[in-house]
Amino acid sequence: QTVVTQEPSFSVSPGGTVTLTCGLSSGSVSTSYYPSWYQQTPGQAPRTLIYSTSARSSGVPDRFSGSILGNKAALTITGAQAHDESDYYCVLYMGSGIYVFGTGTKVTVL
Amino acid sequence: EVQLVESGGGLVQPGGSLRLSCAASAFTFSNYEMNWVRQAPGKGLEWVSYISGSGSTTYYADSVKGRFTISRDNSKNSLYLQMNSLRAEDTGVYYCARDTAMAYFDCWGQGTLVTVSS
Repeated sequence: QTVVTQEPSFSVSPGGTVTLTCGLSSGSVSTSYYPSWYQQTPGQAPRTLIYSTSARSSGVPDRFSGSILGNKAALTITGAQAHDESDYYCVLYMGSGIYVFGTGTKVTVL
Repeated sequence: EVQLVESGGGLVQPGGSLRLSCAASAFTFSNYEMNWVRQAPGKGLEWVSYISGSGSTTYYADSVKGRFTISRDNSKNSLYLQMNSLRAEDTGVYYCARDTAMAYFDCWGQGTLVTVSS
């Protein structure tokens, strides 16, 4: 059973920078997993932020950036704003049409 | 504007069945692979199932394999999820999501709530 791990929560000050990570229970995350990132606020559908590790989805501000850091995928929010307070999920593509969501990170801006 | 609208959710008893639908508009439906993703109350997102553009290839999460069936009708621009032998742990919001050649979900519906309870 593949488990994709994320930090449960992060707190960031307005204007600050935070980096969320996405790791595999066994092995390293690489671009071959096509890491993608999604933002979700309570009661709303997810919003696509990043795909293929670092490509921003249409309309996503450049405050959001994706990368590989060490053996994990990473999402960095630069210049955090109050409305960035959300849950963030990474997704890894395992091949053959199968995806695994990360456990999710709750980001608080205060 | 690309749109996905789910329907068919509701309250069902354990062991019962339900069929979810997802109506697509403003894009060539048959050109896209599609998925179902769910979210239990207060929990994270979970990928459920995938279907190819033609409908010939399907995949399922282990948690629903053998109980759920994904299908599509490209003539009606519609995606379906037939859910049988439902369990309490199947309770949650079910989203349909459009897949892309870059292996990510680029468009989501608003979700439909399924509650499995006696």
